[in-house]
Amino acid sequence: AQKVTQAQTEISVVEKEDVTLDCVYETRDTTYYLFWYKQPPSGELVFLIRRNSFDEQNEISGRYSWNFQKSTSSFNFTITASQVVDSAVYFCALSSKTSGSRLTFGEGTQLTVNP
Amino acid sequence: DSGVTQTPKHLITATGQRVTLRCSPRSGDLSVYWYQQSLDQGLQFLIQYYNGEERAKGNILERFSAQQFPDLHSELNLSSLELGDSALYFCASSGGLAGGTDTQYFGPGTRLTVL
Repeated sequence: AQKVTQAQTEISVVEKEDVTLDCVYETRDTTYYLFWYKQPPSGELVFLIRRNSFDEQNEISGRYSWNFQKSTSSFNFTITASQVVDSAVYFCALSSKTSGSRLTFGEGTQLTVNP
Repeated sequence: DSGVTQTPKHLITATGQRVTLRCSPRSGDLSVYWYQQSLDQGLQFLIQYYNGEERAKGNILERFSAQQFPDLHSELNLSSLELGDSALYFCASSGGLAGGTDTQYFGPGTRLTVL
């Protein structure tokens, strides 16, 4: 069985602070795929990034960066210089070949960025 | 805008009723997925269709059914509705089967309220 854990239920920061959202996953598969999605107050789910298990390079996209560490089964997401528009629920998700294409989601982390 | 459309955006109905949720995938995508987001269960995979055929089933109740039509749009039918069926229902689409390698892009969701 696959599992994704986002231990931080809620995080509150002040604008311009850096914030890291944690994601720990469990899978028996050697090939798997990790995702982050953002759910703003409007409710839609917005794709942010996909990482393959065989590619441990960290990635940076503007103020967003992702740290993938297979040794600790973690795929953490950092927002640098947070902005009010970053306020949303962020979900980490996992899929693998043996689980088919279904995504297993974590519980989500509610991020509030205060002005 | 992900390119995935869902109608209606909101649906309010009574217990015991039946409703149909509709989804149009991104242009060119063959796979359609349905997910349910509720406060107590989080984001749960319901079912996947690929090019008109059912490919995977998750925690979908027997009262729920889905299909994918030749034009690739999909419908999720919910019958004998109960209060606990109130949730946000998402449709997602991806290019193909690919055993979990595809990125799923989500529609804006249909918020179902059962009174």
